[in-house]
Amino acid sequence: DVKVTQSSRYLVKRTGEKVFLECVQDMDHENMFWYRQDPGLGLRLIYFSYDVKMKEKGDIPEGYSVSREKKERFSLILESASTNQTSMYLCASSTRPRTGMDGYTFGSGTRLTVV
Amino acid sequence: GQNIDQPTEMTATEGAIVQINCTYQTSGFNGLFWYQQHAGEAPTFLSYNVLDGLEEKGRFSSFLSRSKGYSYLLLKELQMKDSASYLCAVRDRGYGGATNKLIFGTGTLLAVQP
Repeated sequence: DVKVTQSSRYLVKRTGEKVFLECVQDMDHENMFWYRQDPGLGLRLIYFSYDVKMKEKGDIPEGYSVSREKKERFSLILESASTNQTSMYLCASSTRPRTGMDGYTFGSGTRLTVV
Repeated sequence: GQNIDQPTEMTATEGAIVQINCTYQTSGFNGLFWYQQHAGEAPTFLSYNVLDGLEEKGRFSSFLSRSKGYSYLLLKELQMKDSASYLCAVRDRGYGGATNKLIFGTGTLLAVQP
């Protein structure tokens, strides 16, 4: 069964810590995405990558960075965690084609709490 | 700009039919998706529309009108397990289609009552 795997389901970190969220997919997908999901705000795109070592800012990149050294792995980095980054973080991957029902495959999510 | 609107909450009765509407504005429409998300879980794919009309898949159907920027998800013979959030998402053409990026609405929380 194809999968997108996020390394942690629940995470508690202290303010100011550097936090790494890892995402691995086994579908050979070109595109990978990081979203955060908050009540009433839906899914908001933080960063995405359409190729190894390529990255593009989404709608809310401030306070985050990403790394994609290998095709299967896309890491989200919180440089200095703050309480307003407490959220559910979802990783997704997809193929590249322009058309067709190639939507996203999501990971199970990481619920991050910053205290 | 890009904007997707859907109702925040809906309530329906087990065995009934419910329609969840979604309106969108986007500069590079390239398909519309519906996802289901149970509390605490990741979204899962339900349906896809790129041409106008109705797509049926068992108890779930999805409709698209590109000229009106409008879609709906129709759920028939509702079951308790259908209680979930339903996310409307539009694929944005951007970057020549390379990125396959989805823009999500805030989701509709559906409560199915006995």
